[in-house]
Amino acid sequence: DVVMTQSPVSLPVSLGQPASISCGSSDSLENSDGNTYLSWFQQRPGQSPRRLIYKVSNRDSGVPDRFSGSGSGTDFTLKISRVEAEDVAVYYCMQSTHWPRTFGQGTKVEIK
Amino acid sequence: EVQLVESGGTWVQPGGSLKLSCEGSGFSFSRYWMAWVRQAPGKGLEWVANIKYDGSDRYYVDSVRGRFTVSRDNGKNSLYLEMNSLRVEDTAVYYCARGFLDSWGQGTLVTVSS
Repeated sequence: DVVMTQSPVSLPVSLGQPASISCGSSDSLENSDGNTYLSWFQQRPGQSPRRLIYKVSNRDSGVPDRFSGSGSGTDFTLKISRVEAEDVAVYYCMQSTHWPRTFGQGTKVEIK
Repeated sequence: EVQLVESGGTWVQPGGSLKLSCEGSGFSFSRYWMAWVRQAPGKGLEWVANIKYDGSDRYYVDSVRGRFTVSRDNGKNSLYLEMNSLRVEDTAVYYCARGFLDSWGQGTLVTVSS
């Protein structure tokens, strides 16, 4: 199975400051079709997860442009340009290139 | 608007069985792969199973293969997860999700305990 490793586990950030979450995979996530199936999800307290980013860097509809994704191969990053109070949540990366699908362990973003 | 509504979660004893349902609306259900994802209390997300849009392909995480069966009824816009030989470690909120998990339901809680 492809192991997804996120860092840090906890990320205290001041309002208006940037935040960055790393996600590494134990195998390349580039698919034979040329796509890299790496997604990012946000789970606010008490809510269902919500997809923010798909195929590394594509924002889902309604996702603020302060969220951006980047990376390739085995190393990926989610960045929040200026953290707002509503961004307090746990963030997960997930790969959909290989079976079984696997998630990172999560990164909790909180306000400092 | 895409909606996914799960149901069927409840308390069950170890070794018991349960069938979860998920009804989709607001999209062409029969054109999408569907998935089940679970989250144990206070833990992270774990992908459980996927089923192809026509039901012809199914994939499972190793820990449930042989015990859980994912199925669908496109005529009823519904996804199912039949769970047998349940274990304490299967206790979780079970979410259904569309395709590459672009839409999620609200989840249904399964508690396996004696």
